[in-house]
Amino acid sequence: GENVEQHPSTLSVQEGDSAVIKCTYSDSASNYFPWYKQELGKRPQLIIDIRSNVGEKKDQRIAVTLNKTAKHFSLHITETQPEDSAVYFCAAWTGGGADGLTFGKGTHLIIQP
Amino acid sequence: EAGVAQSPRYKIIEKRQSVAFWCNPISGHATLYWYQQILGQGPKLLIQFQNNGVVDDSQLPKDRFSAERLKGVDSTLKIQPAKLEDSAVYLCASSGARSAGELFFGEGSRLTVL
Repeated sequence: GENVEQHPSTLSVQEGDSAVIKCTYSDSASNYFPWYKQELGKRPQLIIDIRSNVGEKKDQRIAVTLNKTAKHFSLHITETQPEDSAVYFCAAWTGGGADGLTFGKGTHLIIQP
Repeated sequence: EAGVAQSPRYKIIEKRQSVAFWCNPISGHATLYWYQQILGQGPKLLIQFQNNGVVDDSQLPKDRFSAERLKGVDSTLKIQPAKLEDSAVYLCASSGARSAGELFFGEGSRLTVL
């Protein structure tokens, strides 16, 4: 089955700086890569996603890049703000019959004032 | 539109006791998932339903966990008997045909086994 590795496990950045979280996946058939943000005690919330037919997608301060050849994708957050502090999960989806998302272990992003 | 509903939000039980969690997905969503999220880890898929049929239960500990979705709408996840390592948040999610792969999560049911 699919395996998703995520790094780093903890990331601390100064407010206003950029943050980058990286993930790799194992199954070349995976074709959908969402990113979820989870605040303490809350549900995971989808913040951005990318499908395998594009290499980059941007939504205001958040962007995701995908390298299908290398099987890795990254989340970029620019001009970080205190409300960006949370745990971020990457995931990969293969589709087909059994198509549950496979998640990475998460990155705890800390925005230092 | 209403989101994914789950209950109870919190449950504390002794080991070897039983517990059941309920989920009502977004209206019209045919696919329903149960995930287990242990503290400090990413969600792990336990079981996936398509309408009322099981699509994938390969990671469900079937000696103690069971799940059903009898009418293809709401679902129940049961643990009997519970072990200490079952302490986790149990997340229900659903997805529809409009956006393949996009999951909508409920708030989760936090289980503590003492």
